[in-house]
Amino acid sequence: QSVLTQPPSVSAAPGQKVTISCSGSSSNIGNNYVSWYQQLPGTAPKLLIYDNNKRPSGIPGRFSGSKSGTSATLSIAGLQTGDEADYYCGTWDSSLSAGVVFGGGTKLTVL
Amino acid sequence: EVQLLESGGGLGQPGGSLRLSCAASGFTFSSYAMAWVRQAPGKGLEWVSAVTASDGSTYYTDSVKGRFTISRDNSKNTLYLQMNSLRADDTAVYYCAKRLGVLTGWNFDSWGQGTLVTVSS
Repeated sequence: QSVLTQPPSVSAAPGQKVTISCSGSSSNIGNNYVSWYQQLPGTAPKLLIYDNNKRPSGIPGRFSGSKSGTSATLSIAGLQTGDEADYYCGTWDSSLSAGVVFGGGTKLTVL
Repeated sequence: EVQLLESGGGLGQPGGSLRLSCAASGFTFSSYAMAWVRQAPGKGLEWVSAVTASDGSTYYTDSVKGRFTISRDNSKNTLYLQMNSLRADDTAVYYCAKRLGVLTGWNFDSWGQGTLVTVSS
């Protein structure tokens, strides 16, 4: 059971827009920055979004992030078949067991 | 170019020990916090441990506290994870990851290719 809650799967057609939610609490998302990672099959995770809504160099503008209260959202516009991957949210949790927490991951299928 | 190269994975006995290493290059290793993140077969990402750059503070997920020890040797640009009292549920690919920066959240902008640890008798 992950501390952050993501939908197990989402799907959409090429060219469409999809959103992936990440729900937490005041000890994690509510008071800390959120990051998003993309993991293609058989590869290491890749940072897509950091500090809620910033994109590292080289990440297309089709990927965007937002945060409101204790939830965060990753949006992917203009879906491409190459976007099929697992997506994870992550943040710091400031509870007694302080540390980084990840969501359970969301499998994106581009139909 | 940032490179993180893990080694030391393999087959470990239940109750036994393994030491993972992560050789870093392409950045000033001593200036960045580092972490270990694992992924059990077919499962999601699980953060294991982290060590800061400034004062070497360490953090662990509850399931490995008292069993695993993270450390860093800035003179060798290397991160370590000493894994003792291994259990079957420690079986996973272990990734070494670099934190993006100290003035940002705990974002990991560079990852190694991972090393597989299998705990089995």
